[in-house]
Amino acid sequence: DIQMTQSPSTLSASVGDRVTITCRASQSISSWLAWYQQKPGKAPKLLIYKASSLESGVPSRFSGSGSGTEFTLTITSLQPDDFATYYCLQYNSYSTFGQGTKVEIK
Amino acid sequence: EVQLLESGGGLVQPGGSLRLSCAASGFTFSNYAMSWVRQAPGKGLEWVSAIRGRGGSTNYADSVKGRFTISRDNSKNTVYLQMNSLRAEDTAIYYCAKVSSDFWDPFDSWGQGALVTVSS
Repeated sequence: DIQMTQSPSTLSASVGDRVTITCRASQSISSWLAWYQQKPGKAPKLLIYKASSLESGVPSRFSGSGSGTEFTLTITSLQPDDFATYYCLQYNSYSTFGQGTKVEIK
Repeated sequence: EVQLLESGGGLVQPGGSLRLSCAASGFTFSNYAMSWVRQAPGKGLEWVSAIRGRGGSTNYADSVKGRFTISRDNSKNTVYLQMNSLRAEDTAIYYCAKVSSDFWDPFDSWGQGALVTVSS
């Protein structure tokens, strides 16, 4: 089974900050990685797929990079609406989520 | 607009059974794989099961294999999750999710979730 390790688990940031979240796979997953945003009481929302492709309608301040085993989600200029929990998902073999990163207000 | 509406959640005793349903609209249902993803209270997301668009092929997480069964009725645009031998650790919100294409692709639309509580 492929394990996904996200870091950090919690991140404190201010509006306008640049934020980076990392996801590591236990084995190569090529570029089969997605990123989701989840707000309390809501279903997750797809942000990025295939490591770096932006889902339609998602603001361009969100970007993804990486391949193989190391991936990053970057939010340039954090906005008030971006405070949420973020999950990575590998879909190379079955589906495995990372444990999540909560982005909170500093 | 894609809409996914789960139903069938509730309180069940350990060892009991429950069937979740997810009614889909806004897309050609039979063309897409569907999945169930769950989230225990205050915890992260866990993929549970998937079924191909035309049915037949299914997959399960080890944690539910042999206890849960996914199925679909393309004539009713509905996917189901039959959950048997339920345990306390199955307590979670269960989300129905549309797969963007085939089995192992990201989930691009989600339902609002159905709460399943396993407790005596």
